Amino acid sequence: DTGVSQNPRHKITKRGQNVTFRCDPISEHNRLYWYRQTLGQGPEFLTYFQNEAQLEKSRLLSDRFSAERPKGSFSTLEIQRTEQGDSAMYLCASSLVPHRVGNEKLFFGSGTQLSVL
Amino acid sequence: AQKVTQAQTEISVVEKEDVTLDCVYETRDTTYYLFWYKQPPSGELVFLIRRNSFDEQNEISGRYSWNFQKSTSSFNFTITASQVVDSAVYFCALDSNYQLIWGAGTKLIIKP
Repeated sequence: DTGVSQNPRHKITKRGQNVTFRCDPISEHNRLYWYRQTLGQGPEFLTYFQNEAQLEKSRLLSDRFSAERPKGSFSTLEIQRTEQGDSAMYLCASSLVPHRVGNEKLFFGSGTQLSVL
Repeated sequence: AQKVTQAQTEISVVEKEDVTLDCVYETRDTTYYLFWYKQPPSGELVFLIRRNSFDEQNEISGRYSWNFQKSTSSFNFTITASQVVDSAVYFCALDSNYQLIWGAGTKLIIKP
Protein backbone atom coordinates (compact mmCIF):
# COMPACT_ATOMS: atom_id res chain seq x y z
CA ASP A 1 0.00 0.00 0.00
CA THR A 2 1.53 3.29 -1.08
CA GLY A 3 -0.43 5.69 1.09
CA VAL A 4 -3.56 7.80 1.06
CA SER A 5 -5.00 8.27 -2.40
CA GLN A 6 -7.31 11.09 -3.47
CA ASN A 7 -9.23 11.51 -6.70
CA PRO A 8 -9.42 13.60 -8.71
CA ARG A 9 -6.29 15.70 -8.26
CA HIS A 10 -7.96 18.71 -9.82
CA LYS A 11 -11.58 19.65 -10.34
CA ILE A 12 -12.90 22.69 -12.15
CA THR A 13 -16.61 23.31 -11.92
CA LYS A 14 -19.15 26.04 -12.48
CA ARG A 15 -20.90 27.69 -9.60
CA GLY A 16 -24.03 25.82 -8.62
CA GLN A 17 -22.82 22.41 -9.73
CA ASN A 18 -22.32 19.47 -7.39
CA VAL A 19 -18.92 17.84 -6.97
CA THR A 20 -17.76 14.66 -5.28
CA PHE A 21 -14.26 13.73 -4.17
CA ARG A 22 -12.98 10.34 -3.16
CA CYS A 23 -10.38 9.33 -0.60
CA ASP A 24 -8.85 5.88 -0.20
CA PRO A 25 -7.01 5.71 3.13
CA ILE A 26 -4.21 3.35 4.07
CA SER A 27 -5.96 0.00 4.22
CA GLU A 28 -5.77 -0.85 7.92
CA HIS A 29 -6.40 2.69 9.15
CA ASN A 30 -9.61 3.09 11.10
CA ARG A 31 -9.71 6.88 11.30
CA LEU A 32 -10.23 9.20 8.33
CA TYR A 33 -10.24 12.98 8.25
CA TRP A 34 -11.23 15.64 5.77
CA TYR A 35 -9.54 19.03 5.84
CA ARG A 36 -9.74 22.08 3.62
CA GLN A 37 -6.78 24.33 2.89
CA THR A 38 -6.69 27.69 1.15
CA LEU A 39 -3.58 29.44 -0.09
CA GLY A 40 -1.33 30.71 2.66
CA GLN A 41 -3.32 29.04 5.42
CA GLY A 42 -3.09 25.90 7.47
CA PRO A 43 -5.59 23.09 6.98
CA GLU A 44 -9.05 23.61 8.42
CA PHE A 45 -10.82 20.64 9.96
CA LEU A 46 -14.05 19.56 8.26
CA THR A 47 -15.00 16.16 9.63
CA TYR A 48 -13.68 12.79 10.72
CA PHE A 49 -14.74 9.14 10.81
CA GLN A 50 -13.87 6.35 13.18
CA ASN A 51 -14.45 3.33 10.96
CA GLU A 52 -17.82 4.04 9.28
CA ALA A 53 -19.12 6.39 11.99
CA GLN A 54 -18.89 10.12 11.41
CA LEU A 55 -17.97 11.33 14.90
CA GLU A 56 -17.26 15.00 14.48
CA LYS A 57 -18.25 17.68 12.05
CA SER A 58 -16.98 21.24 12.02
CA ARG A 59 -19.54 23.90 12.88
CA LEU A 60 -18.12 25.80 9.92
CA LEU A 61 -19.31 23.09 7.57
CA SER A 62 -22.46 24.16 5.80
CA ASP A 63 -25.34 21.84 4.95
CA ARG A 64 -24.10 21.78 1.38
CA PHE A 65 -21.22 19.55 2.48
CA SER A 66 -21.71 15.88 3.21
CA ALA A 67 -19.26 13.07 3.78
CA GLU A 68 -19.68 9.33 3.89
CA ARG A 69 -17.57 6.32 4.68
CA PRO A 70 -20.03 3.52 4.03
CA LYS A 71 -17.96 0.45 4.78
CA GLY A 72 -15.26 2.00 6.88
CA SER A 73 -12.84 2.00 3.98
CA PHE A 74 -12.94 4.73 1.32
CA SER A 75 -14.73 8.01 1.89
CA THR A 76 -16.48 10.54 -0.32
CA LEU A 77 -16.97 14.25 0.23
CA GLU A 78 -19.76 15.90 -1.71
CA ILE A 79 -20.33 19.61 -2.10
CA GLN A 80 -23.73 20.61 -3.44
CA ARG A 81 -24.48 23.88 -5.21
CA THR A 82 -20.85 24.93 -5.19
CA GLU A 83 -19.91 28.54 -4.53
CA GLN A 84 -16.75 30.41 -5.44
CA GLY A 85 -15.78 30.43 -1.76
CA ASP A 86 -15.56 26.65 -1.87
CA SER A 87 -12.44 26.89 -4.03
CA ALA A 88 -9.67 25.27 -2.00
CA MET A 89 -7.51 22.19 -1.63
CA TYR A 90 -9.45 19.38 0.00
CA LEU A 91 -7.18 17.09 1.98
CA CYS A 92 -7.85 13.61 3.28
CA ALA A 93 -5.82 11.99 6.04
CA SER A 94 -5.93 8.66 7.82
CA SER A 95 -4.50 7.13 10.96
CA LEU A 96 -4.71 4.03 13.10
CA VAL A 97 -5.79 4.85 16.65
CA PRO A 98 -7.92 3.32 19.36
CA HIS A 99 -11.35 4.80 19.90
CA ARG A 100 -11.52 7.96 22.05
CA VAL A 101 -7.83 8.63 21.68
CA GLY A 102 -6.75 11.99 20.35
CA ASN A 103 -4.76 12.70 17.28
CA GLU A 104 -1.91 10.45 16.32
CA LYS A 105 0.36 10.76 13.33
CA LEU A 106 -1.73 11.53 10.27
CA PHE A 107 -0.95 10.31 6.79
CA PHE A 108 -2.15 12.78 4.20
CA GLY A 109 -3.09 12.40 0.59
CA SER A 110 -2.01 14.87 -2.08
CA GLY A 111 -5.39 16.54 -2.03
CA THR A 112 -8.02 17.56 -4.56
CA GLN A 113 -7.75 21.12 -5.81
CA LEU A 114 -11.22 22.52 -6.44
CA SER A 115 -11.75 25.61 -8.55
CA VAL A 116 -15.27 27.01 -8.73
CA LEU A 117 -15.76 29.42 -11.61
CA ALA B 1 -9.94 29.36 22.79
CA GLN B 2 -7.50 27.08 21.02
CA LYS B 3 -5.08 28.84 18.77
CA VAL B 4 -1.72 28.33 17.09
CA THR B 5 0.38 31.27 15.94
CA GLN B 6 3.30 31.05 13.56
CA ALA B 7 4.39 34.65 13.34
CA GLN B 8 7.01 34.09 10.66
CA THR B 9 5.27 34.04 7.30
CA GLU B 10 8.43 33.41 5.30
CA ILE B 11 12.07 32.81 6.11
CA SER B 12 14.88 32.73 3.60
CA VAL B 13 18.38 31.51 4.47
CA VAL B 14 21.43 30.30 2.64
CA GLU B 15 22.19 26.60 2.65
CA LYS B 16 24.07 25.32 5.73
CA GLU B 17 22.72 28.04 7.97
CA ASP B 18 20.72 27.08 11.04
CA VAL B 19 17.12 28.26 11.15
CA THR B 20 14.44 28.28 13.85
CA LEU B 21 10.72 28.28 13.16
CA ASP B 22 8.58 29.68 15.95
CA CYS B 23 5.28 28.29 17.19
CA VAL B 24 3.17 29.73 20.00
CA TYR B 25 -0.06 28.09 21.10
CA GLU B 26 -3.03 28.81 23.33
CA THR B 27 -5.11 26.20 25.08
CA ARG B 28 -7.00 25.72 28.33
CA ASP B 29 -6.50 21.97 28.26
CA THR B 30 -4.05 20.50 30.73
CA THR B 31 -3.34 17.55 28.47
CA TYR B 32 -2.71 18.23 24.84
CA TYR B 33 -0.48 17.31 21.93
CA LEU B 34 1.58 19.43 19.61
CA PHE B 35 2.68 18.54 16.12
CA TRP B 36 4.90 19.73 13.32
CA TYR B 37 4.19 18.89 9.70
CA LYS B 38 6.10 19.68 6.54
CA GLN B 39 4.39 20.53 3.25
CA PRO B 40 6.85 20.40 0.33
CA PRO B 41 5.99 21.90 -3.07
CA SER B 42 4.33 18.60 -4.05
CA GLY B 43 1.61 19.45 -1.52
CA GLU B 44 1.44 16.32 0.62
CA LEU B 45 1.70 17.05 4.34
CA VAL B 46 4.34 14.97 6.07
CA PHE B 47 4.38 14.28 9.80
CA LEU B 48 7.55 15.34 11.64
CA ILE B 49 6.86 15.09 15.36
CA ARG B 50 4.17 14.68 18.02
CA ARG B 51 4.79 15.85 21.57
CA ASN B 52 2.51 15.56 24.59
CA SER B 53 2.14 18.32 27.14
CA PHE B 54 3.74 16.33 29.95
CA ASP B 55 6.99 15.77 28.12
CA GLU B 56 9.07 18.92 28.08
CA GLN B 57 12.28 17.24 27.06
CA ASN B 58 13.78 18.64 23.92
CA GLU B 59 13.97 16.22 21.05
CA ILE B 60 16.59 15.82 18.36
CA SER B 61 16.24 13.84 15.18
CA GLY B 62 19.21 14.21 12.90
CA ARG B 63 19.37 17.84 11.81
CA TYR B 64 15.97 18.58 13.34
CA SER B 65 15.38 19.58 16.93
CA TRP B 66 12.38 20.79 18.87
CA ASN B 67 12.27 23.02 21.93
CA PHE B 68 9.04 22.70 23.94
CA GLN B 69 8.57 25.30 26.69
CA LYS B 70 5.28 25.13 28.53
CA SER B 71 6.04 28.30 30.49
CA THR B 72 5.95 30.35 27.29
CA SER B 73 3.51 28.09 25.39
CA SER B 74 6.03 27.61 22.63
CA PHE B 75 7.11 24.66 20.55
CA ASN B 76 9.91 25.86 18.30
CA PHE B 77 11.57 23.88 15.54
CA THR B 78 15.22 24.23 14.55
CA ILE B 79 16.90 22.90 11.43
CA THR B 80 20.66 22.70 11.73
CA ALA B 81 22.87 22.98 8.64
CA SER B 82 19.88 23.56 6.38
CA GLN B 83 19.71 22.01 2.92
CA VAL B 84 17.84 23.00 -0.22
CA VAL B 85 15.57 19.96 0.24
CA ASP B 86 14.34 21.51 3.48
CA SER B 87 12.51 24.14 1.46
CA ALA B 88 8.83 23.75 2.26
CA VAL B 89 6.00 25.19 4.30
CA TYR B 90 6.13 24.05 7.90
CA PHE B 91 3.01 23.86 10.04
CA CYS B 92 2.66 23.67 13.79
CA ALA B 93 -0.59 22.18 15.08
CA LEU B 94 -2.38 21.64 18.39
CA ASP B 95 -4.57 18.65 19.16
CA SER B 96 -7.95 19.72 20.43
CA ASN B 97 -10.81 17.29 20.90
CA TYR B 98 -9.89 15.06 17.96
CA GLN B 99 -9.30 18.04 15.68
CA LEU B 100 -6.00 19.60 14.84
CA ILE B 101 -5.80 23.37 15.14
CA TRP B 102 -3.20 24.52 12.65
CA GLY B 103 -1.02 27.57 12.42
CA ALA B 104 -0.85 29.48 9.16
CA GLY B 105 2.51 27.97 8.36
CA THR B 106 6.02 29.31 7.76
CA LYS B 107 7.40 29.14 4.27
CA LEU B 108 11.07 28.23 4.46
CA ILE B 109 13.30 28.97 1.48
CA ILE B 110 16.79 27.53 1.47
CA LYS B 111 19.00 29.12 -1.16
CA PRO B 112 21.96 27.23 -2.55
